[in-house]
Amino acid sequence: QLHLQESGPGLVKPSETLSLTCTVSGGSISSGSYYWGWIRQPPGKGLEWIGSIYYSGSAYYNPSLKSRVTISVDTSKNQFSLKLSSVTAADTAVYYCGRRVVVVAANYVYFDYWGQGTLVTVSS
Amino acid sequence: QSVVTQPPSASGTPGQRVTISCSGSSSNIGGNTVNWYQQLPGTAPKLLIYGINQRPSGVPDRFSGSKSGTSASLAISGLQSEDEADYYCAAWDDSLMGEVFGGGTKLTVL
Repeated sequence: QLHLQESGPGLVKPSETLSLTCTVSGGSISSGSYYWGWIRQPPGKGLEWIGSIYYSGSAYYNPSLKSRVTISVDTSKNQFSLKLSSVTAADTAVYYCGRRVVVVAANYVYFDYWGQGTLVTVSS
Repeated sequence: QSVVTQPPSASGTPGQRVTISCSGSSSNIGGNTVNWYQQLPGTAPKLLIYGINQRPSGVPDRFSGSKSGTSASLAISGLQSEDEADYYCAAWDDSLMGEVFGGGTKLTVL
C-alpha cells in the first residue's frame, strides 16, 4: 500500500521560504506511470493545486503561484519537495502531497493517494 | 474565486438521493474528465470518482458521477450519516495548464 508523508516546519516567518518534503513509501517515485504533486487548503477553505512533477524533474505549476514555487524530486530518497518563497499570511494552509495518475488515452488525470497533510502557519 | 463552481451546501435525510453540481467551462469540465473527492472532517481528501464516472476500488456503488457539456454532477443514493463530508470536483484546465478544484460542497445528513 502506497503511503505519503509530508514533513517540514509548521511555522514560517513572513517573507521567508516555506520548505516541505514528501516521503513516498510502498512504491517507487520513479515509476513512469505517475506524477507527484502538492495541494494546499487554507483553514476553512477549499483545495488549491500548487504544482506537479515527474520523476525526471519536469515540473509545472499553478500560474497564480508560479513565480514563487519550486518543486523538485530526489529519486534516491524516494522524495519530492516544495519550496514557496516570500510567504505571507495568505499562505497559511494545510499542505498535502499526492500521487497523480495520468492516463492519456482515456484523458484521466487525478490524485489517487494523498498524504495526511501538514499545517504550515505563516506568522512572525 | 474558483473557475469551477459548486453550491456551498447540500443536505438530505438518510436513505434519500442527493446530487451535487459542478459548473465550469469549455477549457476544463467541457473538454476534460471530472474527478470527485470526499473530505471527511479533519482528514485528507479521498478520491471518490475519476474519469467522470469511474469508482476506485472500495468506493460503494451508491456514488456515481456524470457530465453534460460544461457541468458535472455527483449523485449519492441511499444517503448514510457517514456520507456527511465536504465534496470537491476537479478537472484539468487547458487554459490555465493546471488542475482546478471547485470550491467544495458541504453535505449535511439531517
